Amino acid sequence: KAGVTQTPRYLIKTRGQQVTLSCSPISGHRSVSWYQQTPGQGLQFLFEYFSETQRNKGNFPGRFSGRQFSNSRSEMNVSTLELGDSALYLCASSSGTGVYNSPLHFGNGTRLTVT
Amino acid sequence: SQELEQSPQSLIVQEGKNLTINCTSSKTLYGLYWYKQKYGEGLIFLMMLQKGGEEKSHEKITAKLDEKKQQSSLHITASQPSHAGIYLCGAEVGGGSEKLVFGKGTKLTVNP
Repeated sequence: KAGVTQTPRYLIKTRGQQVTLSCSPISGHRSVSWYQQTPGQGLQFLFEYFSETQRNKGNFPGRFSGRQFSNSRSEMNVSTLELGDSALYLCASSSGTGVYNSPLHFGNGTRLTVT
Repeated sequence: SQELEQSPQSLIVQEGKNLTINCTSSKTLYGLYWYKQKYGEGLIFLMMLQKGGEEKSHEKITAKLDEKKQQSSLHITASQPSHAGIYLCGAEVGGGSEKLVFGKGTKLTVNP
């Protein structure tokens, strides 16, 4: 079974631009979560989507948004990029029935650098 | 909100040595997850613990959740260079959600 696939692996953007990251979950998984990882803050939860609906949202500004398609693939968008948005963005998929039933499986991430 | 403290922050050991990483929660843990991360890559799921006193093993890695469900330890026996990486504990927020909160991680270096 293929794992969680994130594209692209690396991105370099300029302040003020916007960026879209993509995530394909494990086949059969209906939940996709997004996390931001930085050296200072560690792993921070952004949001979770299940069956095209956002079920959970972390404490991030509205510049961070996402969506999920009918095939469970998900995209995350960051508008008006700031230097502080430089981070590793990780996507995780699961069955969506609670992490106790189905642990999160992570992709290799997208490394975003904002200059 | 739930917070997880991991100790130590970093660890350097000689190959063959045993080591322990701790994860302490400010609240009762409903589910505790251990992940391993190679630098700049994704997280690899190691183990999940839910019941107080529970212990699980995978190859040379053993994880325990204490009876009060506020602390977990990860123990590696006879460490190898392949064990090197960042170990992260994650806790279920509760309410059946998919959301995990994570500790800041423990960076393990194993010298041959």
